[in-house]
Amino acid sequence: QQQVKQSPQSLIVQKGGISIINCAYENTAFDYFPWYQQFPGKGPALLIAIRPDVSEKKEGRFTISFNKSAKQFSLHIMDSQPGDSATYFCAATSLGGGGNKLTFGTGTQLKVEL
Amino acid sequence: ETGVTQTPRHLVMGMTNKKSLKCEQHLGHNAMYWYKQSAKKPLELMFVYNFKEQTENNSVPSRFSPECPNSSHLFLHLHTLQPEDSALYLCASSQGTSGHNEQFFGPGTRLTVL
Repeated sequence: QQQVKQSPQSLIVQKGGISIINCAYENTAFDYFPWYQQFPGKGPALLIAIRPDVSEKKEGRFTISFNKSAKQFSLHIMDSQPGDSATYFCAATSLGGGGNKLTFGTGTQLKVEL
Repeated sequence: ETGVTQTPRHLVMGMTNKKSLKCEQHLGHNAMYWYKQSAKKPLELMFVYNFKEQTENNSVPSRFSPECPNSSHLFLHLHTLQPEDSALYLCASSQGTSGHNEQFFGPGTRLTVL
């Protein structure tokens, strides 16, 4: 019930391409879905987040798409750059149930090649 | 120093040793967290402290003992660890634990138990 399933485990994209990472959740009480970016030797950092009252949120080259009925959300990185090479984690939480107890996915290691 | 700092960055210890991990946040936050990050597994929340009081213990074995002397410092005391405890231990902080407050992560301590 608390799991967040993330795929793919790893992803290689050419520079300028679109990177897509998918997550699915089971707990219908989840109502906040952040994505974290982690570079080697660093801790995760919040990248972008979405609430389920919208189907899409865009910040620069990063877009979250959200499908409430399917209980799925995805991260799209447009015009992927080598500097985007990192591990990406999706997460979910219930704001009303102790909003800071995040349930994380297993991570996607993204490599953007020249 | 800015953000969240952790020391040491790397630690190798035997199963009979006692060691401590230190975390310090320079963000004026009131909540602090310990997470365990293992390869190909989701980040696991271990402990949450809010205003120095422990508010969450996620069924963590007693060989891990947290201490929060004030809102800026968090320790994780380790004793009689097992090889499967080898992982990256991340500290995070946030303004509070109600609603959603962004968690800021430190770089982690890479722990190896021999």
